[in-house]
Amino acid sequence: AQSVTQLGSHVSVSEGALVLLRCNYSSSVPPYLFWYVQYPNQGLQLLLKYTSAATLVKGINGFEAEFKKSETSFHLTKPSAHMSDAAEYFCAVSDGAGGTSYGKLTFGQGTILTVHP
Amino acid sequence: DTAVSQTPKYLVTQMGNDKSIKCEQNLGHDTMYWYKQDSKKFLKIMFSYNNKELIINETVPNRFSPKSPDKAHLNLHINSLELGDSAVYFCASSQASQAFFGQGTRLTVV
Repeated sequence: AQSVTQLGSHVSVSEGALVLLRCNYSSSVPPYLFWYVQYPNQGLQLLLKYTSAATLVKGINGFEAEFKKSETSFHLTKPSAHMSDAAEYFCAVSDGAGGTSYGKLTFGQGTILTVHP
Repeated sequence: DTAVSQTPKYLVTQMGNDKSIKCEQNLGHDTMYWYKQDSKKFLKIMFSYNNKELIINETVPNRFSPKSPDKAHLNLHINSLELGDSAVYFCASSQASQAFFGQGTRLTVV
C-alpha cells in the first residue's frame, strides 16, 4: 500500500520569498512521485515528476523537488514566489515501472499556497 | 486540442436521478481513470481501465458503473444519486509514468 502526507494544509508566503511545500510518502515498492497544481475551478496540472532517474527534479514555472529516499520525502520548492503561484498543490505517489496498479495515483491532502504582495 | 475532455463541466440534479459523465482522450493512452475530489479537496481513485478492461475498483458503491466502449473513452454512469455524491469527478489517462487530467465535472445533488 502507498500513502502520502503533506505537512501543512495552508502555507502563506510573501511575493519573492522561498516556497517550501512538504511531502512525505510511504511505499512498499520503489515509488514514482509527482507534484500537481490545481487553480480554482480547474483540473490538475503536472508540475514535475520523479521516476527513478535524477533525484533533483526540475519542473515548470521554476519549481523543483528533491527525492530523498532516506527521509521518504519529496518536498517542493521555488526560490522566489510569484502572485500567480497561489493555488492548491498536491503530492502523489504511484508504483514504479512494472508496478501492478497501472499508474494509480495516491494523493496527499493538498496544500493551499497563498502569496502576499 | 484538449488531451482529456469531460462533459459536462457542471451538473446539477435531484436526489434519486440517474446521470452520466463522459470522458474522451486523444492521447492514444491505454489506461484511463476516474477520480473523485470531495468537498475537502481530497482526491481518491474510483476506477481504472486498461485497454477497455476494468482493473481497479476501489470499493465504490455499485450505483457507480463505468463503461469503456473503446480505449479512448471512459464514461461514468451514476444511478439513484445521493447528496453525498456531490463532488468534482476527474477523468485521467496515462501511458508509462504520467497521468493527464481532464478539467473535472462538478456534480451537485440537491
